[in-house]
Amino acid sequence: QQQVKQSPQSLIVQKGGISIINCAYENTAFDYFPWYQQFPGKGPALLIAIRPDVSEKKEGRFTISFNKSAKQFSLHIMDSQPGDSATYFCAALDSGSARQLTFGSGTQLTVLP
Amino acid sequence: NAGVTQTPKFQVLKTGQSMTLQCAQDMNHEYMSWYRQDPGMGLRLIHYSVGAGITDQGEVPNGYNVSRSTTEDFPLRLLSAAPSQTSVYFCASSYMTGGTEAFFGQGTRLTVV
Repeated sequence: QQQVKQSPQSLIVQKGGISIINCAYENTAFDYFPWYQQFPGKGPALLIAIRPDVSEKKEGRFTISFNKSAKQFSLHIMDSQPGDSATYFCAALDSGSARQLTFGSGTQLTVLP
Repeated sequence: NAGVTQTPKFQVLKTGQSMTLQCAQDMNHEYMSWYRQDPGMGLRLIHYSVGAGITDQGEVPNGYNVSRSTTEDFPLRLLSAAPSQTSVYFCASSYMTGGTEAFFGQGTRLTVV
């Protein structure tokens, strides 16, 4: 059973546009929500993360929006660039559960020049 | 500071063969884990370790063994390879307390024929 559901599976955006990726979770014990970025042939790398005590976190062009009551969070990429083309994974962690990260299924983002 | 190093990068096995995927980290992280990545399924946890001498099963442990004799190394053993184990395997490490970022290796692409 997938505990973190991610959508869409793929996303194509024009350069300069906004990319939005959504995730939903079930386990209310999750207390840390990172997003990972993965380029072809590489391992995932942490992009940005949020804890449930805040509703939004922004780092440069990347913003996480978090809705605790709806158990949903999303990644917004403003002014998307071709270099942002990658696979993005949302994840969730229950710090009290042996630090097991649960990943979403991934979104393949393509930013057209 | 190499981070997380995985070897080999590519491997082809015949059904029934055994092999060990190597993972080493030089960040003195207590927590290490193995994931497999399959299209449309995100990263699924195979096994993890919270310290030397301590390992436990993740979501998809069948067909795999692990051991943790040192803080640095966390090898993954395929006992009798099956085509269903064709996948990309990632090793990750992190601190148990304090920072929560997981650092990933570059992956091992395994094909079982």
